[in-house]
Amino acid sequence: GIQVEQSPPDLILQEGANSTLRCNFSDSVNNLQWFHQNPWGQLINLFYIPSGTKQNGRLSATTVATERYSLLYISSSQTTDSGVYFCAVTIQGAQKLVFGQGTRLTINP
Amino acid sequence: GAVVSQHPSWVICKSGTSVKIECRSLDFQATTMFWYRQFPKQSLMLMATSNEGSKATYEQGVEKDKFLINHASLTLSTLTVTSAHPEDSSFYICSLTGTGLWTQYFGPGTRLLVL
Repeated sequence: GIQVEQSPPDLILQEGANSTLRCNFSDSVNNLQWFHQNPWGQLINLFYIPSGTKQNGRLSATTVATERYSLLYISSSQTTDSGVYFCAVTIQGAQKLVFGQGTRLTINP
Repeated sequence: GAVVSQHPSWVICKSGTSVKIECRSLDFQATTMFWYRQFPKQSLMLMATSNEGSKATYEQGVEKDKFLINHASLTLSTLTVTSAHPEDSSFYICSLTGTGLWTQYFGPGTRLLVL
C-alpha cells in the first residue's frame, strides 16, 4: 500500500519562529490533506491540497504531486499552534485516508 | 463542514465488560462513517468503514466480532468494544463524510481505559 512519511518527527520552537513540515508519499494520490490534532485530541482540517499552493492566515501549504511531496509552512508561531500535524492521502477510487506518523510541534512562550 | 460529536468523551471500565461509543453527525447526513484508534504518540489507524444500512468493512487485522459497528442511520454510528481487555485501552475517533463534503470530518474522540 501507499506509504506516507512525515518529517521531522518532533520540532520544538520559540514563539514567533517559522517552521516547515514535510510529507512524502510513495505513489500517486487523489487527495492530500493536512490536519492539526490539538492537545485534547481533536483533529482539525487545515488544507485540502492535492496540488498547488494554498494559504490561510499564518499557514500555507504546497503540494508538488509530480515529485510526491507536500510542505506545510507555519509562520510567526504561537503557543496555540502546538500539537501534532498529520498529512493524510487518499488514492484513486478509495475513500479511506492513509495517515503519516505526524510531526509533533511544541511552541514555547 | 460537518459537526461531529462522540459520547462518551472518556470511559473507564473493568476487564471483560462491553463498552459502546456513539458517533453522531449533528448537522449533516453522513453516508459513510469511519472508526479509527490511536495509541499514545502514534498515528491514527483505520479500523473500519461503515455505510448507512450496510455491514461495516473492517481493515485487515481488526476483529469484527470484537469491535461491533452499527451504522443504523445517516446521523448515528456506534462502536461496541466487546469483552474489553487492557490492551483495548486507546483513543477511539470517528469521522464522517457524504455528498457535498470533500473530506472527512472528525469527532473529538473517546478515551477508553480498561482496568
